[in-house]
Amino acid sequence: EVQLVESGGGLIQPGGSLRLSCAASGFTVSSNHMNWARQAPGKGLEWVSALYAGGNTYYADSVKGRFTISRDNSKNTLYLQMNSLRAEDTAVYYCARDVYDTNGDHFDCWGQGTLVTVSS
Amino acid sequence: DIQMTQSPSSLSASVGDRVTITCRTSQTINSYLNWYQHKPGKAPKLLIYAASSLQSGVPSRFSGSGSGTDFTLTISNLQPEDFATYYCQQSYTTPAITFGQGTRLEI
Repeated sequence: EVQLVESGGGLIQPGGSLRLSCAASGFTVSSNHMNWARQAPGKGLEWVSALYAGGNTYYADSVKGRFTISRDNSKNTLYLQMNSLRAEDTAVYYCARDVYDTNGDHFDCWGQGTLVTVSS
Repeated sequence: DIQMTQSPSSLSASVGDRVTITCRTSQTINSYLNWYQHKPGKAPKLLIYAASSLQSGVPSRFSGSGSGTDFTLTISNLQPEDFATYYCQQSYTTPAITFGQGTRLEI
């Protein structure tokens, strides 16, 4: 069964750092495009970052220079290192597998999310 | 940036109803449009990809249509488990994809 499980969320002070993990099962992270998205309280979904199978990384302007996406092939796990956190980064963070073909991208598998709260 | 406008933002319906949700983009995105269902505390679920292709395992009462800038998600014969928030997503500008603001479907 294809599954994604996020962890690592919590309460962190502004300016702090946190690393989120997304453990995959049923498929190989390194062979797929992977993404992070988030949902702030009372808001809609927002794309955050992507790591393509070939190793290219991409970031939303709102997190560029502060967040880093990576993966550990031996653990089949995706990560999101978040530095210089701000109150506006408070959200539930989701990882998602990205299927990319002639029909475009679509996220066919998502985790249940991990909550990050940035507050003093 | 491509702006996405979903309407309505919320919708009240009853079991057995047929409902339609619209997503409009500020520029053409061909058919690079997906629809997701999201329930509180759950993982978002892909329903429709490439505007009209039904994701495997999704009931046939869900359907999508449109191309260019105007798209619709139709749910026929609403079931109790369909009450959720629905999002459209454009992948024309991949990897920087964007979501609509969501439509909350309530009883």
